[in-house]
Amino acid sequence: DTEVTQTPKHLVMGMTNKKSLKCEQHMGHRAMYWYKQKAKKPPELMFVYSYEKLSINESVPSRFSPECPNSSLLNLHLHALQPEDSALYLCASSQDWDRGNQPQHFGDGTRLSIL
Amino acid sequence: AQSVTQLGSHVSVSEGALVLLRCNYSSSVPPYLFWYVQYPNQGLQLLLKYTSAATLVKGINGFEAEFKKSETSFHLTKPSAHMSDAAEYFCAVIFTSGNTPLVFGKGTRLSVIA
Repeated sequence: DTEVTQTPKHLVMGMTNKKSLKCEQHMGHRAMYWYKQKAKKPPELMFVYSYEKLSINESVPSRFSPECPNSSLLNLHLHALQPEDSALYLCASSQDWDRGNQPQHFGDGTRLSIL
Repeated sequence: AQSVTQLGSHVSVSEGALVLLRCNYSSSVPPYLFWYVQYPNQGLQLLLKYTSAATLVKGINGFEAEFKKSETSFHLTKPSAHMSDAAEYFCAVIFTSGNTPLVFGKGTRLSVIA
């Protein structure tokens, strides 16, 4: 069982839909991350939140909009996605963004398919 | 430039044989190093980490890795492969003390043959 919970596990949406991915952790971690993973590739970092503030946006298109309502929750709002956005979206958390020796803990991801 | 390289995109071993998955990094300063495993349709699970304490690190599921500064390597080993070890393995590195992204290798797919 993972300590980072992601919902939904699967999501199919059209290019005009608006949907949200949710991530929750109760480990007291202060850094949370969104990654995108295509098949047979390593995860690619999208966003980093540290103490509920956006620290890194890796030039992600504006059709992806992150939100961190509190230290335990991380959302990713989706709008007008393209077929190439179909992927596994992983959420992760770590104790601190400021200390490199803290490992990231990953959720099981949301498998997103864009029709 | 700082980078992490996993040699071999696919490794195949017989059940009971030694598992060796290679990871090399390029950096003038020893980084923080991690190995993750990803089973099909799952997220990444931390196997072990090196954070400048002991150079031989023991992880979960019988895996261990040895940090060798002179070779800039952090290879993952397991004495005896099980069928359940079949998965994708990622070496990942943080190159500074913090505030920098986790850099992943391209991954190695491990197959275990009965």
